[in-house]
Amino acid sequence: LAKTTQPISMDSYEGQEVNITCSHNNIATNDYITWYQQFPSQGPRFIIQGYKTKVTNEVASLFIPADRKSSTLSLPRVSLSDTAVYYCLVGDSGGGADGLTFGKGTHLIIQP
Amino acid sequence: DVKVTQSSRYLVKRTGEKVFLECVQDMDHENMFWYRQDPGLGLRLIYFSYDVKMKEKGDIPEGYSVSREKKERFSLILESASTNQTSMYLCASSSMGPFNEQFFGPGTRLTVL
Repeated sequence: LAKTTQPISMDSYEGQEVNITCSHNNIATNDYITWYQQFPSQGPRFIIQGYKTKVTNEVASLFIPADRKSSTLSLPRVSLSDTAVYYCLVGDSGGGADGLTFGKGTHLIIQP
Repeated sequence: DVKVTQSSRYLVKRTGEKVFLECVQDMDHENMFWYRQDPGLGLRLIYFSYDVKMKEKGDIPEGYSVSREKKERFSLILESASTNQTSMYLCASSSMGPFNEQFFGPGTRLTVL
């Protein structure tokens, strides 16, 4: 089961690029990497998913090195509204719920 | 837009009561999930259903049961509520597998007195 490790908290300032790294040393061949964002009093919201190299959408980019043992969520030019908890999940998109663990996530705080 | 709705935003129950939390999704998703979220412990999976009448235990199923009689509805049941079940409960649904995009409901904050 691929276990993930991410920082408990991070601080940054408006307009900066923020990178949150997730370690998943025992990722399996069929595993995908997925990131969610959660605001207070709301359910998590899907941000991005990738398998290797780089994925970009209108919200974020996801960088995955060749060995896939880590991944980095990149948020460009953050604003105060990006203050949230960010979760990294790793698992087989075609498999069951084994290893489906959101954990504690990374609490990102953006300051003016 | 995918809609996942939960029957209540806030619920207060007494110890020993039987509690039903209802979740409905409108996107014909095969998979549905129940999580609880507690400060310092993150989001933990209670049960997962991959089809009508099919279920799998998650990380913390003790004290809970589930029911999925129709594809769009997934119920979480606390047979005899206890104070340590006071928590935020979140329901989610997804098509394909659990590690595909999950859509979450707004949550139910349950207080057991």
